[in-house]
Amino acid sequence: DAKTTQPNSMESNEEEPVHLPCNHSTISGTDYIHWYRQLPSQGPEYVIHGLTSNVNNRMASLAIAEDRKSSTLILHRATLRDAAVYYCILRSLLKETSGSRLTFGEGTQLTVNP
Amino acid sequence: DTAVSQTPKYLVTQMGNDKSIKCEQNLGHDTMYWYKQDSKKFLKIMFSYNNKELIINETVPNRFSPKSPDKAHLNLHINSLELGDSAVYFCASSQELGLNTEAFFGQGTRLTVV
Repeated sequence: DAKTTQPNSMESNEEEPVHLPCNHSTISGTDYIHWYRQLPSQGPEYVIHGLTSNVNNRMASLAIAEDRKSSTLILHRATLRDAAVYYCILRSLLKETSGSRLTFGEGTQLTVNP
Repeated sequence: DTAVSQTPKYLVTQMGNDKSIKCEQNLGHDTMYWYKQDSKKFLKIMFSYNNKELIINETVPNRFSPKSPDKAHLNLHINSLELGDSAVYFCASSQELGLNTEAFFGQGTRLTVV
């Protein structure tokens, strides 16, 4: 599986935008970029995903670099409830089965200050 | 209604025992997964089933045996429990195996082996 690199931790203030970076220089042409987050004592929660174009949904925006070697998750107005570990994941095809899997890395611990 | 539900939420048991964790999804998804999150918080895939067929089987000890009686259920049976099996186990489901699909996770089962 192609690897992603994220900062271990980031801090933000409430009501301010947050930009969470992710490097994935070994991404292949068919890999999708997925973001999940895990709040304390909960299961991972889907945030957003994309292939080449920038994506927006009700939770966040995903900005993908033109060469696809990096991406940025944007939370437009951070709230205290956004404090979580954010995982940037490349979802890759498994040649043996034509399936895919989510391979989680260490993620970025986001702290939101009131 | 909980989309992906696991039971039990907590499980404390002695070494050598056999235990099962149950998972059910009411989303009509074809694909289900088991993930393990260890004390260092790394999330690692264990198994994936698609339409009741085993698709992914990572290098998991054969003491772990998943069983999918139907598409909505994926149970995990663990024989001869060891101290190192202590972890949080997450069940997840997705519409299908492909890259362009999001996964929904359960709340986790915290297994403690004493």
